[in-house]
Amino acid sequence: GQQVMQIPQYQHVQEGEDFTTYCNSSTTLSNIQWYKQRPGGHPVFLIQLVKSGEVKKQKRLTFQFGEAKKNSSLHITATQTTDVGTYFCAGQAAGGTSYGKLTFGQGTILTVHP
Amino acid sequence: AAGVIQSPRHLIKEKRETATLKCYPIPRHDTVYWYQQGPGQDPQFLISFYEKMQSDKGSIPDRFSAQQFSDYHSELNMSSLELGDSALYFCASSPGQAYTEAFFGQGTRLTVV
Repeated sequence: GQQVMQIPQYQHVQEGEDFTTYCNSSTTLSNIQWYKQRPGGHPVFLIQLVKSGEVKKQKRLTFQFGEAKKNSSLHITATQTTDVGTYFCAGQAAGGTSYGKLTFGQGTILTVHP
Repeated sequence: AAGVIQSPRHLIKEKRETATLKCYPIPRHDTVYWYQQGPGQDPQFLISFYEKMQSDKGSIPDRFSAQQFSDYHSELNMSSLELGDSALYFCASSPGQAYTEAFFGQGTRLTVV
């Protein structure tokens, strides 16, 4: 079945440093979504990437989707303490009948030290 | 804005008991998903419904069943509970099946003792 690998598992940064998490799927994706989960909270949608090579920005966050639609990255510039949480990538498979089902990566736990 | 409502928020059950988790999707969302998230783990897909019909099935044990009702709310029924079933159970809804974001509820924390 489809697998989504995400690295690193943990990332500790000083406030103001940059942060990047990487995601790789075993199969081609129709789209990839990114979610943030605060401690004790639920996953909250950040963005969806659909097109090959797509790059999207949200303030200090930059999301990329690979040309082969199998990998993705999230980069945060100048982290703030409010960025703390677990960042998950989640892929939807291309083709087949698994419409809508999200396969999550393992997540990257981001800790920001003030 | 209305969000996905899950009840109960917390549930403590003994081994071999049964549990029923409820989910009320965002109005006009026709797709509901159930995910299980163990401690320190990523959400694992259990089952989904589109327009009240089961649309996909993931790693859901045979002891679990789910359905979506005419008012689009969904219930996850869990029987013969095991210690390993202790987890956060999230329901999510979306306006369509593919290429749409999932809106997650607050989750139900199930503890089996």
